[in-house]
Amino acid sequence: DIVMTQSPDSLAVSLGERATINCKSSQSVLYNSNNKNYLAWYQQKPGQSPKLLIYWASTRESGVPDRFSGSGSGTDFTLTISSLQPEDVAVYYCQQYYSIPITFGQGTRLEIK
Amino acid sequence: QVQLQESGPGLVKPSQTLSLTCTVSGDSINSDGYYWTWIRQPAGKALEWIARIYPIGSTNYNPSLQSRVTISLDTPKNQFSLRLSSVTAADTAVYYCAKAKVGMGVHYWGQGTLVTVSS
Repeated sequence: DIVMTQSPDSLAVSLGERATINCKSSQSVLYNSNNKNYLAWYQQKPGQSPKLLIYWASTRESGVPDRFSGSGSGTDFTLTISSLQPEDVAVYYCQQYYSIPITFGQGTRLEIK
Repeated sequence: QVQLQESGPGLVKPSQTLSLTCTVSGDSINSDGYYWTWIRQPAGKALEWIARIYPIGSTNYNPSLQSRVTISLDTPKNQFSLRLSSVTAADTAVYYCAKAKVGMGVHYWGQGTLVTVSS
């Protein structure tokens, strides 16, 4: 299994400031045939289902605000929120869908400082 | 707009079989380039992928659950289902059904249904 490890486990950031969440996979999730990283980021607000933010490590899902961005390749990835808004309080998960079993990180809880 | 709705018992006794159905509306379960999947989340814990099924019927399972899990399609009803046998308290979780685009992550999620395993 590919193990996904996120850091930090929790994060408190001031409104308007940058938030950065890291995700490391135990092996590469780069699919050589199309040069795409099979890595997604999800946002889960309390009491809600997860919501897809980013796929292919850096492609924003339709309708996701452009303050959310993803970067990285191979085994190291980052989700960045450029200017934190109150509605961004949530738990964020990375996910690899490169191989079975599909696996998620343990989650990063993002709060307002 | 595709919508997914989980249904099934909220309480299952230990050693019995958990059965859930996901009803898909606003889309065909035969959608090309997509697959249907089940994911669960124990309270306060991370997401765990369970299984997926493609419209042609091919399946993949999480090896940690494979001996107990079956995912299936009911195309005429536009539904897909999950069966998890020999449940224990460790199977207590919110179960989500979802639709994923091949190679692009899980795009649509149901609201989730809490299943508690208890006598």
